[in-house]
Amino acid sequence: NAGVTQTPKFQVLKTGQSMTLQCAQDMNHEYMSWYRQDPGMGLRLIHYSVGAGITDQGEVPNGYNVSRSTTEDFPLRLLSAAPSQTSVYFCASSYRQNTEAFFGQGTRLTVV
Amino acid sequence: TQLLEQSPQFLSIQEGENLTVYCNSSSVFSSLQWYRQEPGEGPVLLVTVVTGGEVKKLKRLTFQFGDARKDSSLHITAAQPGDTGLYLCAGVVDYGQNFVFGPGTRLSVLP
Repeated sequence: NAGVTQTPKFQVLKTGQSMTLQCAQDMNHEYMSWYRQDPGMGLRLIHYSVGAGITDQGEVPNGYNVSRSTTEDFPLRLLSAAPSQTSVYFCASSYRQNTEAFFGQGTRLTVV
Repeated sequence: TQLLEQSPQFLSIQEGENLTVYCNSSSVFSSLQWYRQEPGEGPVLLVTVVTGGEVKKLKRLTFQFGDARKDSSLHITAAQPGDTGLYLCAGVVDYGQNFVFGPGTRLSVLP
């Protein structure tokens, strides 16, 4: 059982470039979310989805887009990368919104 | 200002020692979770507490939810190097909202 799979694991971008972080889960979970983790800041919610076709903004959504066309996939798009987006990004899924979150292994993104 | 505060921020102890880490807020939570995150990995859920005053035990780990549901503690007895990691608490004020994470306590247990 793969759980939550994130790709890539590492990425370096130049300022202004765009890219998509992939996230897939095989647990048939309704709820999926994206977080960024910065030193001393904990995990901050970027965007979330309570089901296919439904997405909403979290605490720090600026500069990011998401879509949820299937239950399994929840990609995160960086529209025009900025150095402030250098961070570790985690995707998570849950059966429902406030149940146990299962996290992927993370993507370490550096924007230069 | 963070909704959840965790203390201490860093803790380095010897194997066999006991320790307690804290998670505090001015808000009342309907549910609170503790996660452990190891280097290069995502957080993994340890426990969920929902009732004020609730105590849960997971082997050498004891979790307590404050009576007023504004704070929680994690006590580790006889710490082992395998307990090393970042301990995160996460709380939700109302069901239908999202969990908010604290900044974490980074624990290092030296052999």
